[in-house]
Amino acid sequence: GQQLNQSPQSMFIQEGEDVSMNCTSSSIFNTWLWYKQDPGEGPVLLIALYKAGELTSNGRLTAQFGITRKDSFLNISASIPSDVGIYFCAGRYSNYGGSQGNLIFGKGTKLSVKP
Amino acid sequence: GAVVSQHPSWVICKSGTSVKIECRSLDFQATTMFWYRQFPKQSLMLMATSNEGSKATYEQGVEKDKFLINHASLTLSTLTVTSAHPEDSSFYICSATRGADIQYFGAGTRLSVL
Repeated sequence: GQQLNQSPQSMFIQEGEDVSMNCTSSSIFNTWLWYKQDPGEGPVLLIALYKAGELTSNGRLTAQFGITRKDSFLNISASIPSDVGIYFCAGRYSNYGGSQGNLIFGKGTKLSVKP
Repeated sequence: GAVVSQHPSWVICKSGTSVKIECRSLDFQATTMFWYRQFPKQSLMLMATSNEGSKATYEQGVEKDKFLINHASLTLSTLTVTSAHPEDSSFYICSATRGADIQYFGAGTRLSVL
């Protein structure tokens, strides 16, 4: 089946540092989404990407849809304590014939920020 | 907009009983709703996809008689865990889409089966 490799699995950084995480897929995806999940809560959408090469920002967050359509990255600039949480990438691929595949999630990147 | 409400947020039940979890799209009509299960420190595992008025499509390995899904309206889907057992204890999360690819998630339901 389709797989998403998300890295790193966890990060422990100092407040103010920049953060970068990425996801790679074994197939071409036509949608990349980045979510953040706080403990005991559902994921919250951060950024949605639909075109290869697309670069989108949401405040201190920036995500890009890789030009090969098999990867995406998320950057967080000047991290703050409330950035703590688990970040998931999710992607959707197109099946042959044009039908949409289900959303596939990476295993998450756990971010810890030290004040 | 795009708020998804899930209820209850936490439920404790005895082994052998059934539990119903509701997922509502509060400010939009959801063309499709999804049910996920998440184990501690794990990613989301899709259980089933449901469209209003039709039978849910279950992922491989998910027992449809165990996890009953009803999608009676464009704003409500329910997941019933029948004859729950301790191994069914988990975090269940629903999501909904309103036509585009974006899934909006509920806050999740933590099920503990004693």
